[in-house]
Amino acid sequence: LAKTTQPISMDSYEGQEVNITCSHNNIATNDYITWYQQFPSQGPRFIIQGYKTKVTNEVASLFIPADRKSSTLSLPRVSLSDTAVYYCLVVTETGTASKLTFGTGTRLQVTL
Amino acid sequence: DTGVSQDPRHKITKRGQNVTFRCDPISEHNRLYWYRQTLGQGPEFLTYFQNEAQLEKSRLLSDRFSAERPKGSFSTLEIQRTEQGDSAMYLCASSYHGTNTEAFFGQGTRLTVV
Repeated sequence: LAKTTQPISMDSYEGQEVNITCSHNNIATNDYITWYQQFPSQGPRFIIQGYKTKVTNEVASLFIPADRKSSTLSLPRVSLSDTAVYYCLVVTETGTASKLTFGTGTRLQVTL
Repeated sequence: DTGVSQDPRHKITKRGQNVTFRCDPISEHNRLYWYRQTLGQGPEFLTYFQNEAQLEKSRLLSDRFSAERPKGSFSTLEIQRTEQGDSAMYLCASSYHGTNTEAFFGQGTRLTVV
């Protein structure tokens, strides 16, 4: 399983753009990069998933360079409610089995 | 659909007692996962079902842990002879079989063993 490395914590002010970078040097050809968000005392929530280049949805953008050894989650104009832990995962679909391997995540603190 | 539902939300038990948690997945989802999360750590995969078949259980923490999904709908996770180290949040997630479809998590059951 590809291991991911991301910063333990980040701080931001409300209204700023936040970029969280994740490295996954051993990513395999069939792997996807997926990000989850988790608030205290709640289960993780899917944010975005991509394979290469750029993916954008209503919540975030995901940038993946050509070598796919890293990825960057971009949160535009964060608010206090974006304070959470963000997990970068490499998801492998092998046969009928697919499971998520979480690291320790990046704890984002947004302040006024 | 109200999403993945877990019951109870909180459980306090004495060491040595057995506990059982229930998970009701999103109705059309055929995959169901159990995870454990301790303070400051990311969720840790325990076991996984596709319909009623338990396809992976090697990551269950010990033989005191068992999970069932008898009719391919709800699932239960049982911990026998609980120990203080079992105190954690137990999360259930479900998804629909397909290439890299997202998993939907419940709010978890927080277990405290005293």
